[in-house]
Amino acid sequence: GQNIDQPTEMTATEGAIVQINCTYQTSGFNGLFWYQQHAGEAPTFLSYNVLDGLEEKGRFSSFLSRSKGYSYLLLKELQMKDSASYLCAVNNDYKLSFGAGTTVTVRA
Amino acid sequence: IAGITQAPTSQILAAGRRMTLRCTQDMRHNAMYWYRQDLGLGLRLIHYSNTAGTTGKGEVPDGYSVSRANTDDFPLTLASAVPSQTSVYFCASSEGQDPNYGYTFGSGTRLTVV
Repeated sequence: GQNIDQPTEMTATEGAIVQINCTYQTSGFNGLFWYQQHAGEAPTFLSYNVLDGLEEKGRFSSFLSRSKGYSYLLLKELQMKDSASYLCAVNNDYKLSFGAGTTVTVRA
Repeated sequence: IAGITQAPTSQILAAGRRMTLRCTQDMRHNAMYWYRQDLGLGLRLIHYSNTAGTTGKGEVPDGYSVSRANTDDFPLTLASAVPSQTSVYFCASSEGQDPNYGYTFGSGTRLTVV
């Protein structure tokens, strides 16, 4: 079976940094994704890691350690528009399995 | 049409009724997926199709059926709706069978079964 864990909620101040952790135990692994989902909208792609290490894309970075079954998404210079749910997803047997998502609230 | 179109946007359905959720994509993607999203549970895969003419069961397939007669369309049918099928349903597609190509999601259908 699949077990993908991430915190339910996080709150941070505008301009700050927030790190969202994701741990996974899946029967297979072919890559890890992070998606952003604003309330009432569809998920949109943020990042993808298949090898260990850090992938940086503007204000967002994602890290993967396959041996530890661990990833994090780092959001820097937080803006109000970053208030959303962030979904960790594992490519398991060529289908994506999702965590329950982390709701990030950015306060002024 | 640009990307994935789902219809209807929302629906209130009486228990026991049959309902088909429509999903159409214009990207010529081979793989398509149906997920349901429930609070606290995240997105769970219902059914998928790696290519036209083939379908497969996901994590929560009971009470749902799909067909893939052509590349563009992937309808999801609830034969006899029950209140536990109240959820937001998302259709997604991927260029290839390997989702590392990236998923594109539709805007979702909010279904309430009463």
